[in-house]
Order: sequence, then C-alpha cells, then structure tokens
Amino acid sequence: GDKVKQSPSALSLQEGTNSALRCNFSIAATTVQWFLQNPRGSLMNLFYLVPGTKENGRLKSAFDSKESYSTLHIRDAQLEDSGTYFCAAEFRNSGTYQRFGTGTKLQVVP
Amino acid sequence: DTTVKQNPRYKLARVGKPVNLICSQTMNHDTMYWYQKKPNQAPKLLLFYYDKILNREADTFEKFQSSRPNNSFCSLYIGSAGLEYSAMYLCASGTGGAETLYFGSGTRLTVL
Repeated sequence: GDKVKQSPSALSLQEGTNSALRCNFSIAATTVQWFLQNPRGSLMNLFYLVPGTKENGRLKSAFDSKESYSTLHIRDAQLEDSGTYFCAAEFRNSGTYQRFGTGTKLQVVP
Repeated sequence: DTTVKQNPRYKLARVGKPVNLICSQTMNHDTMYWYQKKPNQAPKLLLFYYDKILNREADTFEKFQSSRPNNSFCSLYIGSAGLEYSAMYLCASGTGGAETLYFGSGTRLTVL
C-alpha cells in the first residue's frame, strides 16, 4: 500500500506568499528527505532529516516521527521555487528501504 | 567530490535491444541505488547494492539487472528494452540509510 502520502498534489502560489507541503506516513519512518526536481528531471537534495527541524534560507522542514509526518515550509515564494517537490521516507523492516511521495507540483506566479 | 556521475545523459534504444547504463561515485559509499522516474510519477526504486549484495524490488525483479564490479561503479542492465522502459533513470549513493542520498543527474532513456 501507499506508505507515503504527499499533499497537495498541485499548488499555485503568488510570489511573496508562504505555504507548506506535507507528507504523512502510514508506518513509522526513520528518516525523511525532501527533493526538488529540476526541469530536466533530476532531483536536487533540499533536506535530510532525522526527527527534528532544519532551515535553509526561505525553506524550513520538520519531521515528527511520533506523529508520522513531515512538512516543507516555503516562505516568501519566488518564481524560481517552481517545480515538483518530492518527499522520501526511509523505513526499516528486515533492512532499510526508501519510498517516495507522489510529488507536489508547485507553480509560483507573479 | 560529492558528485554521482551518470553516463550517458541521453540514450536512444530500439525495442528488443539491450541497454546498459553506468553510474559512478568516489565517496566510498557502500550503497548504490537505481530509480526509474517517469513524468508525473514518483521515482520508483528498482534495485540497490549494499556492498556486494544486490537487492531487487519484487515487481521489477525480472526486468532489470545490475552489476557492481567495485565500490565506485554500478551499472543498470536491461536485456530487451520495451517501449515502457522509456524514462529517466536516476542513480544515487549513500551509506546504507544512515546518511543523505546523493543523486546523479540521470540518464534519459528513449526506446523506439
């Protein structure tokens, strides 16, 4: 089944506004990563989280392992933030494996 | 050097022909992964090597092979390409889950 549910699937933001993306996990995740897919299709690392929060410029991410979710906050959205954002969670069950969310397609408009 | 290198960047293949994609990293990571990424879909894990041990996902078990002759190098092999194999193939490396994954730029495979 779907272990990683990402929402929203698509989002349009006005330049300068704030928003948050979210991933819920149906079973306990050990770590979470957030990626931005560039127009060519390759993935750029944004954050890697064990439970806790990290901040980098206008982006902030949190991972709450007890409540089984992670969020990515975008502050003061800029046109260049447009793209598809993926979360990926790591799970442990007779070894470790990773599952991706289905992505959030973000469009920032003037 | 924290880059994962993938070659080639673009690959054209004919239906029924084999395809071999190459990935390398010099970070001495013990784990290397291959993902398939199609438009509007999440990246799908195909297989990964932990050291010399190959782990393949159950639903792609028969479609993809891989080899890892040394720690730095990992290939993805398709024995007989079908149209449905057209996708971006992403290689990544890490230290078995304890650290972040580093992704290569990908190889875009088009099967005609």
